[in-house]
Amino acid sequence: DAGVTQSPTHLIKTRGQQVTLRCSPKSGHDTVSWYQQALGQGPQFIFQYYEEEERQRGNFPDRFSGHQFPNYSSELNVNALLLGDSALYLCASSFRDRGSYEQYFGPGTRLTVT
Amino acid sequence: AQSVSQHNHHVILSEAASLELGCNYSYGGTVNLFWYVQYPGQHLQLLLKYFSGDPLVKGIKGFEAEFIKSKFSFNLRKPSVQWSDTAEYFCAVSSHNQGGKLIFGQGTELSVKP
Repeated sequence: DAGVTQSPTHLIKTRGQQVTLRCSPKSGHDTVSWYQQALGQGPQFIFQYYEEEERQRGNFPDRFSGHQFPNYSSELNVNALLLGDSALYLCASSFRDRGSYEQYFGPGTRLTVT
Repeated sequence: AQSVSQHNHHVILSEAASLELGCNYSYGGTVNLFWYVQYPGQHLQLLLKYFSGDPLVKGIKGFEAEFIKSKFSFNLRKPSVQWSDTAEYFCAVSSHNQGGKLIFGQGTELSVKP
């Protein structure tokens, strides 16, 4: 049973560029949440997708956007990258009928903005 | 706004010592509580969870946590730690009304000396 997978593992971008990160949920899960984890901090909630719509959003600017596909996989897009966007980006999946209470995390994508 | 506070940033113990990591949250409604663990080089894994019922919950690898509603606390305990427990531990909370959004504490790094 495959767990949550994310790609790429690492990414280096320049300020002002745009980036797309990808996530495939655990088999049987239909809800995907994205988190940003800065060095030495706990993960911070960005947004959650269910039925291809954004259902909840954390305190992140509109430069952060996402998408969910019919197969439940998801993308996180960040425009106009800033140095402060350097972080580990985590994807978590869950099954909505269980109230999305239990989330399973992927290994993350390490984004470095120079 | 919801918040989670973990009392200790870095804890150093010898093998066989007892462990207690503090976690307090700020939220007035009904909550779900979690402890996640991140072993070196690995992704976040769920250690234990509390949704309702018995406030003393048992998780994997001999860990347990006690929910004390009056103190808004969910402390993690283990009677005897092992070197393999060296990891970063995160407390997280979500509300019953916003099941998908996890709010994390800043994490506690546990180092166990052999």
